[in-house]
Amino acid sequence: EAQVTQNPRYLITVTGKKLTVTCSQNMNHEYMSWYRQDPGLGLRQIYYSMNVEVTDKGDVPEGYKVSRKEKRNFPLILESPSPNQTSLYFCASSFKWGAPYEQYFGPGTRLTVT
Amino acid sequence: DAKTTQPPSMDCAEGRAANLPCNHSTISGNEYVYWYRQIHSQGPQYIIHGLKNNETNEMASLIITEDRKSSTLILPHATLRDTAVYYCIVRERETSGSRLTFGEGTQLTVNP
Repeated sequence: EAQVTQNPRYLITVTGKKLTVTCSQNMNHEYMSWYRQDPGLGLRQIYYSMNVEVTDKGDVPEGYKVSRKEKRNFPLILESPSPNQTSLYFCASSFKWGAPYEQYFGPGTRLTVT
Repeated sequence: DAKTTQPPSMDCAEGRAANLPCNHSTISGNEYVYWYRQIHSQGPQYIIHGLKNNETNEMASLIITEDRKSSTLILPHATLRDTAVYYCIVRERETSGSRLTFGEGTQLTVNP
């Protein structure tokens, strides 16, 4: 089944403890992206990758890192999480970037930083 | 990308067609109209997209007016599982960064 998977789905952590949220797609998509969703602010893009070893900042990249060493994986790294990074995170992928290609989203990772 | 306007909420009876409108009066010639939906806190789900012509797939139909300034998403036989927030998005072809800009969307509630 074609899908985007994220792990973990739920995570509670403490300030400053490094964490990684994994994202994997099995559709051979070139483009992958991370979003965060917060009440009243909608979905905001954190980072995106147009292909292996090609990444760039989205709208809210501060406090996050990404890497794209393989086409299928696009992990999101929080080196020193802070409470303002408590959010619902979504990974997405598409065949290529831009229209007319549709984006497929993962199920989400709910992160709480205390 | 052009801005869209959608009603904040709509209701629909189960089994009836749900018609969700979207206004995108500033759309340009190379911008596509996309529809996504999000069922509470789940990942957004792609529904359909179009450029000029009407489109239909197994989930829905998309009707785009001739002047392209508005569109309607039609769910032909709404079920309770179609209750979700529906987002209308316009995207320029090969937009750098390929960010999807989700607005407020329309909360569709399908009632038994």
